[in-house]
Amino acid sequence: GEDVEQSLFLSVREGDSSVINCTYTDSSSTYLYWYKQEPGAGLQLLTYIFSNMDMKQDQRLTVLLNKKDKHLSLRIADTQTGDSAIYFCAEIPGGYQKVTFGTGTKLQVIP
Amino acid sequence: GAGVSQSPSNKVTEKGKDVELRCDPISGHTALYWYRQSLGQGLEFLIYFQGNSAPDKSGLPSDRFSAERTGGSVSTLTIQRTQQEDSAVYLCASSPNLAGGHGYTFGSGTRLTVV
Repeated sequence: GEDVEQSLFLSVREGDSSVINCTYTDSSSTYLYWYKQEPGAGLQLLTYIFSNMDMKQDQRLTVLLNKKDKHLSLRIADTQTGDSAIYFCAEIPGGYQKVTFGTGTKLQVIP
Repeated sequence: GAGVSQSPSNKVTEKGKDVELRCDPISGHTALYWYRQSLGQGLEFLIYFQGNSAPDKSGLPSDRFSAERTGGSVSTLTIQRTQQEDSAVYLCASSPNLAGGHGYTFGSGTRLTVV
């Protein structure tokens, strides 16, 4: 597809794990990113993964990359109310110097 | 500066007026990007600067939109004869030469409302 695709909405209970999925567009993308946007704020880089990796863990965050299917996921362990935000998947398509963003997934954490 | 600074944070303008949005990137970041975020939409790429030149203007929606960057630092996005569909949050980001593992650092955005 032409667009970076994400589901629009995810609701989880506090303490559960959240998994946000993304399908990106370019198999030659070198870096893939997850950004977080809290209400009224700009985007904050959460984590990234280089294309020669298939997993990256950073505290409560785990990123999984499936290059064959162009699928990226972000798992948040022990989800907290402060994790409520919009999460954007992003890639740098091969040959370009700009980041292409998905539509964002709104994560709602229920206390 | 310590972060990417955008001004104004909010702007309400009448249809047909011109507006200027300002972005002050992180000191030393050579790449600067403008994106637009409409309600419920993802980020739409507008334009990218490397130093003072704009290698990629492909995202500018119409000839009413223009941008410049001077001194490899501050950038201004100008929208002439604003229309209601221009209402959105305009986000600026900067990065060292290539985003790579640094990703982008975003400003908090300018919320533009055209009435």
